[in-house]
Amino acid sequence: DAKTTQPNSMESNEEEPVHLPCNHSTISGTDYIHWYRQLPSQGPEYVIHGLTSNVNNRMASLAIAEDRKSSTLILHRATLRDAAVYYCILRDVRNAGNMLTFGGGTRLMVKP
Amino acid sequence: DAGVIQSPRHEVTEMGQEVTLRCKPISGHNSLFWYRQTMMRGLELLIYFNNNVPIDDSGMPEDRFSAKMPNASFSTLKIQPSEPRDSAVYFCASSRTSGGNNEQFFGPGTRLTVL
Repeated sequence: DAKTTQPNSMESNEEEPVHLPCNHSTISGTDYIHWYRQLPSQGPEYVIHGLTSNVNNRMASLAIAEDRKSSTLILHRATLRDAAVYYCILRDVRNAGNMLTFGGGTRLMVKP
Repeated sequence: DAGVIQSPRHEVTEMGQEVTLRCKPISGHNSLFWYRQTMMRGLELLIYFNNNVPIDDSGMPEDRFSAKMPNASFSTLKIQPSEPRDSAVYFCASSRTSGGNNEQFFGPGTRLTVL
C-alpha cells in the first residue's frame, strides 16, 4: 500500500474545529483513504473513509483533494474526548486482504 | 454486540515462559487480525485469518510466535518461549469481509510484560 505523511502532533482548543492533514502523493486509483483513531489505552477505532468525494458521518468529515494526493480529516467541534492519535491509511481495494498498515499518526491534543 | 473480546487484559510473566493470548471476534465477522504495538515500532500487523485460515503471517517476528483459529469464534496467539523484547500491547481485530473496505473493529488489547 502507498505511504502517507502526517504531522507528528497538533493542538486544538476545545469546541473549535480541527483540520488534520494527510499527504499521500503516491496514491493509486484503487486506494481508499481510511482514518482510524486511537484513544489513550484503547484499541484503534474506525473514523471514516473515502475514495474521491468528500464524506461526512457522525464523527467527522473527510475532505479529499481533487488530485487525491492529500486529504484532511475535519472534526467540527473538538472535545476533550477527541484527544487521540489519528492515523491516515491507504487501502488498495485490489489487495486480497483487508490489512491496515499503520504509520506514526498525528497525536491531537485538545486544550480546555 | 459485545465487540471483540480479548483475554487476559494484562499478563506479567518471566522470560522463558509460554504465553497464550486469546481473542473472540465479533459474531459474523470472517476476518481476524493480530497486531502488536510498541513505542519503538508502533502498530504492526502480525498475522491475519480469513474464514479461519491463516492468509498472511509475514509479520510474525519469529518461530517463537504462533497463531491459531480453530473456529470462527476463537483465536489464540502463543509465544513460546517468551522474551523481554516481546513486551507490548497485543490487539486483536475483526472485520466482516476480507476484501473491500469494511472497517476493522479492535479489541481492548492485552498488555504483556515479560520480565
